[in-house]
Amino acid sequence: EAEVAQSPRYKITEKSQAVAFWCDPISGHATLYWYRQILGQGPELLVQFQDESVVDDSQLPKDRFSAERLKGVDSTLKIQPAELGDSAMYLCASSQSGLAGGESYEQYFGPGTRLTVT
Amino acid sequence: SQQGEEDPQALSIQEGENATMNCSYKTSINNLQWYRQNSGRGLVHLILIRSNEREKHSGRLRVTLDTSKKSSSLLITASRAADTASYFCATRTVGAQKLVFGQGTRLTINP
Repeated sequence: EAEVAQSPRYKITEKSQAVAFWCDPISGHATLYWYRQILGQGPELLVQFQDESVVDDSQLPKDRFSAERLKGVDSTLKIQPAELGDSAMYLCASSQSGLAGGESYEQYFGPGTRLTVT
Repeated sequence: SQQGEEDPQALSIQEGENATMNCSYKTSINNLQWYRQNSGRGLVHLILIRSNEREKHSGRLRVTLDTSKKSSSLLITASRAADTASYFCATRTVGAQKLVFGQGTRLTINP
């Protein structure tokens, strides 16, 4: 069964350092999502791509976070510089489409990257 | 911002019992989805119910939706230890393109 791949699974970094996460969605899925999940809370959308275009990055802290999906396939989320408050699980998900006809297809999630900023 | 609020925040029951979790939301939706998350892992989609549907079943899962009360419930029948997880509702509001997740219910099934 096809899965969403993420790496690394765990990352420990010192504050002010740069960190990057990678996601490879399920083949053929046009929509890719990056979520941040703080312990004990639900996932919060950071950025949503439709193919290579950003369709929602309203909750992305753009002074330090950036995301790209250059060829409309895999994606990278970067934080520079990392802050203590960025410690969280970063989840990537993909779906067939997030826009067609007002419908929402189910999202398939990767295992996540657990980030600890010290 | 959180659209859905799950209730209770935590639930502990004996294996074999039924578990019911509730979700309330604030604005009109296109659909509502339930996801499960095992500790430290990604989320797994369980079921999607559209705004014009009132009830949906999938195996041991039953989901209801009451759009007049802006609420949904997830019932897990004959619970098993493997059902221990956090359960999240997620809503897609009318006119929006994204899912908004609630804070989740942590379910513990005791053997």
